[in-house]
Amino acid sequence: RKEVEQDPGPFNVPEGATVAFNCTYSNSASQSFFWYRQDCRKEPKLLMSVYSSGNEDGRFTAQLNRASQYISLLIRDSKLSDSATYLCVVNPWGDKIIFGKGTRLHILP
Amino acid sequence: DAGITQSPRHKVTETGTPVTLRCHQTENHRYMYWYRQDPGHGLRLIHYSYGVKDTDKGEVSDGYSVSRSKTEDFLLTLESATSSQTSVYFCAIGSNEQFFGPGTRLTVL
Repeated sequence: RKEVEQDPGPFNVPEGATVAFNCTYSNSASQSFFWYRQDCRKEPKLLMSVYSSGNEDGRFTAQLNRASQYISLLIRDSKLSDSATYLCVVNPWGDKIIFGKGTRLHILP
Repeated sequence: DAGITQSPRHKVTETGTPVTLRCHQTENHRYMYWYRQDPGHGLRLIHYSYGVKDTDKGEVSDGYSVSRSKTEDFLLTLESATSSQTSVYFCAIGSNEQFFGPGTRLTVL
């Protein structure tokens, strides 16, 4: 099993729709989890941290399922500006941070 | 945005020439990282630093060296560039959450 695995997509979603994607991780000792957003030819930018209790930031909701070892990102009322690649990031305790290869999202007008 | 700059932003060089990329931060952060990003591979850690003169290897360190003589600067050197080192190079800072510089696009002909 790969350390961090994401569906590469692309997810083609009409504007206004809700979209969700998951990321699975292999190290059960992982402590910290994040979602990053990366626009074409730009650097990754932190979108949100993922807490055990789940967290929400506007239209974005992130959740952690430790039992099944995955994190999820839900985007509601999607906007054209949400088109990007979303990177799942896992920080195992005492080891180096691991980046997923990303899920591409295209919001269609 | 975190104060991280990278120079140069773009570089074209020839095989066999030495190349040095610079990362500069104004956040006084202890941890700094160099990644490369290639299609199909995602972000891969080259080297990282946990303090002045303290550095360690990442997963793809062959052909690269680093130096950190000041907290704010982290240099990545390709001693003899090869075409396989054509990539986008990102510098990052942070210990748990990481923040990225704008990247350097390097082409080795």
